[in-house]
Amino acid sequence: AQTVTQSQPEMSVQEAETVTLSCTYDTSESDYYLFWYKQPPSRQMILVIRQEAYKQQNATENRFSVNFQKAAKSFSLKISDSQLGDAAMYFCAYMGNSGYSTLTFGKGTMLLVSP
Amino acid sequence: GAGVSQSPSNKVTEKGKDVELRCDPISGHTALYWYRQSLGQGLEFLIYFQGNSAPDKSGLPSDRFSAERTGGSVSTLTIQRTQQEDSAVYLCASSLQVPGANVLTFGAGSRLTVL
Repeated sequence: AQTVTQSQPEMSVQEAETVTLSCTYDTSESDYYLFWYKQPPSRQMILVIRQEAYKQQNATENRFSVNFQKAAKSFSLKISDSQLGDAAMYFCAYMGNSGYSTLTFGKGTMLLVSP
Repeated sequence: GAGVSQSPSNKVTEKGKDVELRCDPISGHTALYWYRQSLGQGLEFLIYFQGNSAPDKSGLPSDRFSAERTGGSVSTLTIQRTQQEDSAVYLCASSLQVPGANVLTFGAGSRLTVL
């Protein structure tokens, strides 16, 4: 079974600074997808960024980028120029690409942003 | 619809009562997922629908939990004889079941409180 581990229950960052959230996963599959979702207090899960495992190039979405290390099974999220609106719970998630697959989530990292 | 709709947004019930939670997925999304999020925990997979059938219901915690989907659209999650440990946020998500495009879109969840 796949597992996703987020070792940082909480992280803090000041506005305009950069923060990196860690995620590791375990799988025996060679083809899969990795995701970061953001969950603000409204509870709505919002997709931040997605990475296909077969792509070596790290995904980027504006201020959000990932460092995908397939051999190390590591998938960290970097948030640049942090904003107050970035404060939320961030979940790392894994999905295989064989037949159908479901998302397996880590326990989340709470990101606090201070002015 | 434009997004995934869930109702009720909040439900308070007494121990032993039955509850029904509803999910209205994005129009055209053939895949539908239910997850449970307990306080301070990540998201726990409950059940997956492809069309009206449920090829994976391995996450349902007990036989008090059941779910159905009709017309390939609306899904209902039913919890019978609720217990206090059932208190959680129940999240529904839907997606197109197309390899490489299976990004889940989540609803805002139904918060269940069992007294």
